[in-house]
Amino acid sequence: QSALTQPASVSGSPGQSITISCTGTSSDVGGFNYVSWYLQNPGKAPKLMIYDVSKRPSGVSSRLSGSKSGNTASLTISGLQPEDEAEYYCSSYRSSSSSFDVVFGGGTKLTVL
Amino acid sequence: QITLKESGPTLVKPTQTLTLTCTFSGFSFSTFGVGVGWIRQPPGKALEWLAIIYWDDDNRYSPSLKSRLTVTKDTSKNQVVLTMTNMDPVDTATYYCAHHSFGVVMFDYWGQGTLVTVSS
Repeated sequence: QSALTQPASVSGSPGQSITISCTGTSSDVGGFNYVSWYLQNPGKAPKLMIYDVSKRPSGVSSRLSGSKSGNTASLTISGLQPEDEAEYYCSSYRSSSSSFDVVFGGGTKLTVL
Repeated sequence: QITLKESGPTLVKPTQTLTLTCTFSGFSFSTFGVGVGWIRQPPGKALEWLAIIYWDDDNRYSPSLKSRLTVTKDTSKNQVVLTMTNMDPVDTATYYCAHHSFGVVMFDYWGQGTLVTVSS
């Protein structure tokens, strides 16, 4: 069982917007602005899409945006395109007794209908 | 251009020690703040963070795996080595190395990954 909770799947039609949630605790998502999101296509390495809750690395589409409220972070993709279909993982820094920990969500399969 | 590539055995037996090497280019451990992390992914399952090593030899380990993991670096060779002891079939996974920067909790460049199967 993953440390962060994501829906197993979400879907949307081209042009629509979808939101993927990522729920943690006050020790990770809620306590720090260190939430990141990764896209993973089958058989490929993950690709960073969002970091520090809402920052986009260079080259990532502005259709993707990140936010956070309390212990839940969200990834929103607007204007869905077929190439957005992939698995998405959230990640967060977690405060622990060992002082540094990085936790991931279980992943969300995005299907573009 | 930053690239990373993992190498090592594809098959290990239970109780053996796994040694994986990450060879990278486009950055250097001679630079303040540089780090390399290891993340794994069992087939069909989620990502799991394992360890990070920094330019100054400081390192961080997953609390749940700390007793089994060691990460070292060779600055002159642009390499990072991960060792995991007492391998078990549940450790079967694709192991990734990734570029990391001190103070920013994310991995912005990833290797292609290497699948390690643990079986007798």
